[in-house]
Amino acid sequence: DAKTTQPPSMDCAEGRAANLPCNHSTISGNEYVYWYRQIHSQGPQYIIHGLKNNETNEMASLIITEDRKSSTLILPHATLRDTAVYYCIVRSRNSGNTPLVFGKGTRFSVIA
Amino acid sequence: NAGVTQTPKFQVLKTGQSMTLQCAQDMNHEYMSWYRQDPGMGLRLIHYSVGAGITDQGEVPNGYNVSRSTTEDFPLRLLSAAPSQTSVYFCASRVRDRDNEQFFGPGTRLTVL
Repeated sequence: DAKTTQPPSMDCAEGRAANLPCNHSTISGNEYVYWYRQIHSQGPQYIIHGLKNNETNEMASLIITEDRKSSTLILPHATLRDTAVYYCIVRSRNSGNTPLVFGKGTRFSVIA
Repeated sequence: NAGVTQTPKFQVLKTGQSMTLQCAQDMNHEYMSWYRQDPGMGLRLIHYSVGAGITDQGEVPNGYNVSRSTTEDFPLRLLSAAPSQTSVYFCASRVRDRDNEQFFGPGTRLTVL
Protein backbone atom coordinates (compact mmCIF):
# COMPACT_ATOMS: atom_id res chain seq x y z
CA ASP A 1 0.00 0.00 0.00
CA ALA A 2 1.25 3.49 -0.83
CA LYS A 3 2.21 5.70 2.08
CA THR A 4 0.02 8.67 2.93
CA THR A 5 0.77 11.91 4.77
CA GLN A 6 -1.90 13.90 6.59
CA PRO A 7 -1.70 16.88 8.92
CA PRO A 8 -1.98 15.72 12.54
CA SER A 9 -4.79 18.09 13.40
CA MET A 10 -7.17 20.63 11.88
CA ASP A 11 -10.24 22.49 12.93
CA CYS A 12 -12.95 24.60 11.41
CA ALA A 13 -16.00 26.54 12.49
CA GLU A 14 -19.38 24.85 12.47
CA GLY A 15 -21.21 25.36 9.20
CA ARG A 16 -18.08 26.09 7.19
CA ALA A 17 -16.58 23.83 4.55
CA ALA A 18 -13.73 21.64 5.73
CA ASN A 19 -10.91 20.65 3.38
CA LEU A 20 -8.82 17.77 4.64
CA PRO A 21 -5.65 17.12 2.61
CA CYS A 22 -3.75 13.93 1.98
CA ASN A 23 -0.47 13.42 0.15
CA HIS A 24 0.20 10.11 -1.57
CA SER A 25 3.06 10.80 -3.93
CA THR A 26 3.98 7.11 -4.37
CA ILE A 27 0.51 6.00 -5.45
CA SER A 28 0.54 3.46 -8.24
CA GLY A 29 -1.79 3.24 -11.19
CA ASN A 30 -4.14 0.61 -9.79
CA GLU A 31 -4.47 2.13 -6.32
CA TYR A 32 -7.54 3.94 -5.12
CA VAL A 33 -7.82 6.65 -2.47
CA TYR A 34 -10.17 5.74 0.40
CA TRP A 35 -11.30 7.92 3.27
CA TYR A 36 -12.56 6.70 6.61
CA ARG A 37 -13.27 8.45 9.86
CA GLN A 38 -13.53 7.30 13.43
CA ILE A 39 -15.64 9.26 15.85
CA HIS A 40 -14.60 8.85 19.46
CA SER A 41 -15.72 5.50 20.93
CA GLN A 42 -17.26 4.35 17.66
CA GLY A 43 -16.22 2.03 14.87
CA PRO A 44 -14.47 3.31 11.74
CA GLN A 45 -16.85 4.65 9.11
CA TYR A 46 -16.25 4.45 5.38
CA ILE A 47 -16.76 7.84 3.71
CA ILE A 48 -15.78 7.80 0.05
CA HIS A 49 -13.22 6.56 -2.42
CA GLY A 50 -11.93 7.42 -5.88
CA LEU A 51 -9.39 6.52 -8.52
CA LYS A 52 -8.76 9.65 -10.54
CA ASN A 53 -12.06 11.43 -11.05
CA ASN A 54 -13.62 13.63 -8.42
CA GLU A 55 -16.32 11.88 -6.45
CA THR A 56 -19.26 13.06 -4.40
CA ASN A 57 -21.72 11.26 -2.16
CA GLU A 58 -24.11 12.22 0.58
CA MET A 59 -21.31 12.53 3.11
CA ALA A 60 -18.48 14.29 1.31
CA SER A 61 -16.64 15.12 -1.89
CA LEU A 62 -13.25 13.82 -2.92
CA ILE A 63 -10.96 15.84 -5.13
CA ILE A 64 -7.95 14.03 -6.60
CA THR A 65 -5.25 16.01 -8.37
CA GLU A 66 -4.53 15.22 -11.99
CA ASP A 67 -1.18 13.61 -11.15
CA ARG A 68 -2.95 11.66 -8.36
CA LYS A 69 -0.23 12.53 -5.87
CA SER A 70 -2.61 14.24 -3.49
CA SER A 71 -6.28 14.50 -2.66
CA THR A 72 -8.67 16.55 -0.56
CA LEU A 73 -11.71 15.39 1.34
CA ILE A 74 -14.35 18.10 1.48
CA LEU A 75 -17.08 18.24 4.10
CA PRO A 76 -19.31 20.96 2.65
CA HIS A 77 -20.98 22.10 5.88
CA ALA A 78 -19.15 20.81 8.93
CA THR A 79 -21.22 20.02 12.01
CA LEU A 80 -20.16 19.13 15.52
CA ARG A 81 -20.91 15.49 14.70
CA ASP A 82 -18.13 15.57 12.09
CA THR A 83 -15.51 15.84 14.84
CA ALA A 84 -13.43 12.69 14.38
CA VAL A 85 -10.10 11.31 13.26
CA TYR A 86 -10.04 11.15 9.46
CA TYR A 87 -7.92 8.58 7.68
CA CYS A 88 -6.72 8.60 4.09
CA ILE A 89 -5.78 5.15 2.79
CA VAL A 90 -4.35 4.20 -0.57
CA ARG A 91 -4.86 0.60 -1.68
CA SER A 92 -5.55 -1.46 -4.71
CA ARG A 93 -9.20 -2.33 -5.09
CA ASN A 94 -8.52 -6.07 -4.78
CA SER A 95 -6.76 -6.07 -1.43
CA GLY A 96 -8.38 -9.31 -0.33
CA ASN A 97 -8.51 -9.83 3.39
CA THR A 98 -5.42 -7.86 4.30
CA PRO A 99 -6.62 -5.55 7.08
CA LEU A 100 -7.07 -1.85 6.56
CA VAL A 101 -4.15 0.11 8.01
CA PHE A 102 -5.37 3.46 9.22
CA GLY A 103 -2.18 5.25 10.17
CA LYS A 104 -2.37 8.32 12.40
CA GLY A 105 -4.88 10.34 10.39
CA THR A 106 -5.98 13.91 10.98
CA ARG A 107 -7.69 14.77 14.25
CA PHE A 108 -10.40 17.10 12.99
CA SER A 109 -12.43 19.26 15.35
CA VAL A 110 -15.48 21.32 14.53
CA ILE A 111 -15.79 24.38 16.72
CA ALA A 112 -19.19 25.77 17.68
CA ASN B 1 -31.18 -1.29 7.74
CA ALA B 2 -29.56 -1.55 11.16
CA GLY B 3 -26.17 -2.15 9.50
CA VAL B 4 -23.66 -3.99 11.68
CA THR B 5 -24.71 -4.51 15.28
CA GLN B 6 -22.59 -5.76 18.15
CA THR B 7 -23.45 -6.88 21.66
CA PRO B 8 -22.56 -6.29 24.38
CA LYS B 9 -21.15 -2.76 24.26
CA PHE B 10 -19.13 -3.25 27.42
CA GLN B 11 -17.95 -6.37 29.21
CA VAL B 12 -15.71 -7.12 32.17
CA LEU B 13 -14.36 -10.63 32.57
CA LYS B 14 -12.11 -12.38 35.03
CA THR B 15 -9.07 -14.24 33.77
CA GLY B 16 -10.07 -17.69 32.59
CA GLN B 17 -13.71 -16.90 31.90
CA SER B 18 -15.18 -17.52 28.47
CA MET B 19 -17.70 -15.47 26.57
CA THR B 20 -19.11 -14.79 23.13
CA LEU B 21 -19.18 -11.41 21.40
CA GLN B 22 -22.12 -11.19 19.06
CA CYS B 23 -22.10 -9.58 15.62
CA ALA B 24 -24.93 -9.38 13.12
CA GLN B 25 -25.47 -7.56 9.84
CA ASP B 26 -28.63 -7.13 7.78
CA MET B 27 -27.02 -6.03 4.51
CA ASN B 28 -26.57 -9.56 3.09
CA HIS B 29 -22.81 -9.06 2.97
CA GLU B 30 -20.76 -12.15 2.19
CA TYR B 31 -17.63 -11.04 4.02
CA MET B 32 -17.43 -10.50 7.76
CA SER B 33 -14.40 -9.85 9.95
CA TRP B 34 -13.38 -9.35 13.55
CA TYR B 35 -10.74 -6.80 14.51
CA ARG B 36 -9.27 -5.65 17.75
CA GLN B 37 -8.06 -2.10 18.27
CA ASP B 38 -5.49 -1.28 20.92
CA PRO B 39 -3.99 2.16 21.61
CA GLY B 40 -1.14 2.82 19.20
CA MET B 41 -1.62 -0.53 17.45
CA GLY B 42 -4.31 0.25 14.91
CA LEU B 43 -6.70 -2.45 13.76
CA ARG B 44 -5.56 -6.06 13.83
CA LEU B 45 -7.50 -8.79 12.08
CA ILE B 46 -8.50 -11.72 14.29
CA HIS B 47 -10.69 -13.93 12.08
CA TYR B 48 -12.71 -13.46 8.95
CA SER B 49 -15.32 -15.24 6.89
CA VAL B 50 -16.02 -15.12 3.17
CA GLY B 51 -19.43 -16.72 3.49
CA ALA B 52 -21.63 -19.01 5.56
CA GLY B 53 -19.73 -22.09 6.65
CA ILE B 54 -16.31 -20.63 5.75
CA THR B 55 -13.93 -19.01 8.23
CA ASP B 56 -10.22 -18.31 8.29
CA GLN B 57 -7.60 -16.88 10.60
CA GLY B 58 -6.28 -13.35 10.53
CA GLU B 59 -3.06 -12.10 12.04
CA VAL B 60 -3.93 -12.52 15.75
CA PRO B 61 -6.26 -15.55 16.01
CA ASN B 62 -4.89 -17.21 19.15
CA GLY B 63 -7.39 -17.39 21.99
CA TYR B 64 -10.39 -16.77 19.75
CA ASN B 65 -12.82 -18.98 17.85
CA VAL B 66 -15.43 -18.07 15.27
CA SER B 67 -18.20 -19.76 13.34
CA ARG B 68 -20.46 -18.62 10.52
CA SER B 69 -23.61 -20.70 10.39
CA THR B 70 -25.66 -17.96 8.70
CA THR B 71 -24.88 -15.02 6.43
CA GLU B 72 -26.11 -12.61 9.08
CA ASP B 73 -24.23 -13.70 12.20
CA PHE B 74 -20.54 -13.98 13.01
CA PRO B 75 -19.93 -14.55 16.75
CA LEU B 76 -16.46 -14.35 18.29
CA ARG B 77 -15.72 -16.64 21.21
CA LEU B 78 -13.06 -16.05 23.80
CA LEU B 79 -12.13 -19.46 25.11
CA SER B 80 -10.26 -18.52 28.29
CA ALA B 81 -9.95 -14.78 28.71
CA ALA B 82 -6.55 -13.25 29.47
CA PRO B 83 -5.62 -9.66 30.40
CA SER B 84 -3.84 -9.36 27.03
CA GLN B 85 -7.28 -9.61 25.41
CA THR B 86 -8.38 -6.34 26.96
CA SER B 87 -9.24 -4.29 23.90
CA VAL B 88 -11.97 -2.80 21.77
CA TYR B 89 -13.40 -5.34 19.36
CA PHE B 90 -14.95 -4.35 16.06
CA CYS B 91 -16.93 -6.49 13.69
CA ALA B 92 -17.05 -5.46 10.03
CA SER B 93 -18.78 -6.60 6.88
CA ARG B 94 -18.52 -5.92 3.18
CA VAL B 95 -19.64 -7.21 -0.19
CA ARG B 96 -17.51 -9.29 -2.49
CA ASP B 97 -15.12 -7.30 -4.70
CA ARG B 98 -15.35 -4.20 -2.50
CA ASP B 99 -12.44 -5.07 -0.28
CA ASN B 100 -11.93 -1.61 1.14
CA GLU B 101 -15.51 -0.45 1.62
CA GLN B 102 -16.10 -1.98 5.00
CA PHE B 103 -18.95 -1.33 7.37
CA PHE B 104 -17.99 -1.47 11.02
CA GLY B 105 -20.09 -2.11 14.09
CA PRO B 106 -20.03 0.17 17.15
CA GLY B 107 -17.54 -2.00 19.01
CA THR B 108 -17.37 -3.97 22.24
CA ARG B 109 -15.08 -2.69 24.98
CA LEU B 110 -13.71 -5.71 26.81
CA THR B 111 -11.73 -5.60 30.02
CA VAL B 112 -10.15 -8.75 31.41
CA LEU B 113 -9.06 -8.53 35.03
